[in-house]
Amino acid sequence: EVQLVESGGGLVQPGGSLRLSCVASGFTFSSYEMNWVRQAPGKGLEWLSYISSSVIARYYADSVKGRFTISRDDAKNSLYLQMNSLRAEDTAVYYCARSMIRGVERFDIWGQGTMVTVSS
Amino acid sequence: EIVMTQSPATLSVSPGETATLSCRASQSVSSNLAWYQQKPGQAPRLLIYTASTRATDTPARFSGSGSGTEFSLTISSLQSEDFAVYYCQQYNNWPPLTFGGGTKVEIK
Repeated sequence: EVQLVESGGGLVQPGGSLRLSCVASGFTFSSYEMNWVRQAPGKGLEWLSYISSSVIARYYADSVKGRFTISRDDAKNSLYLQMNSLRAEDTAVYYCARSMIRGVERFDIWGQGTMVTVSS
Repeated sequence: EIVMTQSPATLSVSPGETATLSCRASQSVSSNLAWYQQKPGQAPRLLIYTASTRATDTPARFSGSGSGTEFSLTISSLQSEDFAVYYCQQYNNWPPLTFGGGTKVEIK
């Protein structure tokens, strides 16, 4: 079964750091571009970051640029999001999502999400 | 940045009726538009891509149309499992990839 499973969410104080993980199974992870998308409570979807296969390119939304870092470890079939300098407005469910086709960023597989709460 | 605007925010429809959701882009996205369905407590699910191509397992009662800046998602003969929030997303000009604010389809 093709699957993405996120972990690493939790409660963190403002200014703190957190590292999210997303483990893939059921497909050749190294061949796919991957993304992080978040959803604040009761709000819509916000794309955060993209990483190409072979880590040739990484892109970020302005809202997280300079604070978040996307990475991947193909040997572990894993995607990561290092989040630093966290703010209250970063409180959201964070999803990893697979790009359906290389260079065409529509998301055909999503993880179940991991909740991040930034609060003192 | 391309801004995606969905309307209406909420659509009240009776089971068996047809729902038509709209999505407008602030500039042309060609046909590079996807629709997602999200139910409470669940991750989004890809329904339609390239504006009108149904994803695997998407029922035929879902249809997408449009190109350029105006798009629509039509759900014919609404079933109970179709009541959800629907998002459009452009992938023509990025970064950033952008989503619409969503349309909630609720039971009338």
